[in-house]
Amino acid sequence: ELKVEQNPLFLSMQEGKNYTIYCNYSTTSDRLYWYRQDPGKSLESLFVLLSNGAVKQEGRLMASLDTKARLSTLHITAAVHDLSATYFCAVEPGGSNYKLTFGKGTLLTVNP
Amino acid sequence: SAVISQKPSRDICQRGTSLTIQCQVDSQVTMMFWYRQQPGQSLTLIATANQGSEATYESGFVIDKFPISRPNLTFSTLTVSNMSPEDSSIYLCSVEEGPGGYFGPGTRLLVL
Repeated sequence: ELKVEQNPLFLSMQEGKNYTIYCNYSTTSDRLYWYRQDPGKSLESLFVLLSNGAVKQEGRLMASLDTKARLSTLHITAAVHDLSATYFCAVEPGGSNYKLTFGKGTLLTVNP
Repeated sequence: SAVISQKPSRDICQRGTSLTIQCQVDSQVTMMFWYRQQPGQSLTLIATANQGSEATYESGFVIDKFPISRPNLTFSTLTVSNMSPEDSSIYLCSVEEGPGGYFGPGTRLLVL
């Protein structure tokens, strides 16, 4: 059974600070996804990481993937209040045809 | 991109009753997915719905409890049958179009 573990589950940080969210998974994966969910809203796709060493950046968020360590990170640079949301990683095992297994999510609160 | 709508957006139901949730996509898609997000929890895949074939259910979910229809390439329904308070969740449909796919806004179900 594929397990996807995120940590931390709760993160409170000050504006301007940097932090990293970690996503570990237990089996070989074709793809790893990061999503954002605002309260009461649906999921928004942020990044898709397809290969070992992949790095993607959008604004203050940067995601990376190490398939050998089965680890992905979501790094937040100089956080701003607008980044407050819940962030999920999700893994698509090889051959699963888009069936995603999600981590528990990280509730990020950025304080002014 | 794909735009997904769900009906109803929320409902309060009595235990023992059933609720059918509709998912409409603005373009034709091959695969549609139904997820459940229990309060404060991550997303769990219920089933995959392909047009013209029976839905494929994940471990822990059965057709008698969650019957799914997929009459065409833009529409699907999920029925939550014989509801109990444990079924109180957000139910989301998703399609695989584009990186990370797209998620509907969700149906918030409360069972009393």
